[in-house]
Amino acid sequence: DAGVIQSPRHEVTEMGQEVTLRCKPISGHDYLFWYRQTMMRGLELLIYFNNNVPIDDSGMPEDRFSAKMPNASFSTLKIQPSEPRDSAVYFCASGTSAGGDTQYFGPGTRLTVL
Amino acid sequence: KQEVTQIPAALSVPEGENLVLNCSFTDSAIYNLQWFRQDPGKGLTSLLLIQSSQREQTSGRLNASLDKSSGRSTLYIAASQPGDSATYLCAANFGNEKLTFGTGTRLTIIP
Repeated sequence: DAGVIQSPRHEVTEMGQEVTLRCKPISGHDYLFWYRQTMMRGLELLIYFNNNVPIDDSGMPEDRFSAKMPNASFSTLKIQPSEPRDSAVYFCASGTSAGGDTQYFGPGTRLTVL
Repeated sequence: KQEVTQIPAALSVPEGENLVLNCSFTDSAIYNLQWFRQDPGKGLTSLLLIQSSQREQTSGRLNASLDKSSGRSTLYIAASQPGDSATYLCAANFGNEKLTFGTGTRLTIIP
């Protein structure tokens, strides 16, 4: 398996623009997680899905953030409109349980909002 | 509030030495604890997972321990190598289906 795939790897955009991050989990994993990593706050869980259904989105910072998982092999995290404080590395991870087993992380998307 | 702390934030050790990385957590009702490695510009790679019923796990030169009563976990690295240089993060599952991450220890092995 190729592991968790994320695209793009790097994204530079201007404030106010819409940003869409993409993730393909490992086949057979029914849990998918979106994290954000910054120097100030470390690694934070934004939202996670089980069998394509959002289970906990309490980490989503505000209404500008939304996430979808239309099928078992694809998820998106959208920011609209983007702001400079959204600049961070966004990771997608997948696994076979929410916290009872290993999570497999993608390489991340480094987002810079100017 | 359930928190995970890693001190120090950075550590430098000469090659060949054994070393210990520390992780502390606030809630002894922990479900499991994981140690991850993160290389610069990369994602996290899981190293070891310790269930609450276990006291330690070993993989090669790595040994992780878990002491729930004291709220501590350690990652022991034997005979350190320059390739061990990375940031090491611990993450606790407090039974709420989420992982709570520490802020990591950046390890540098000096050749």
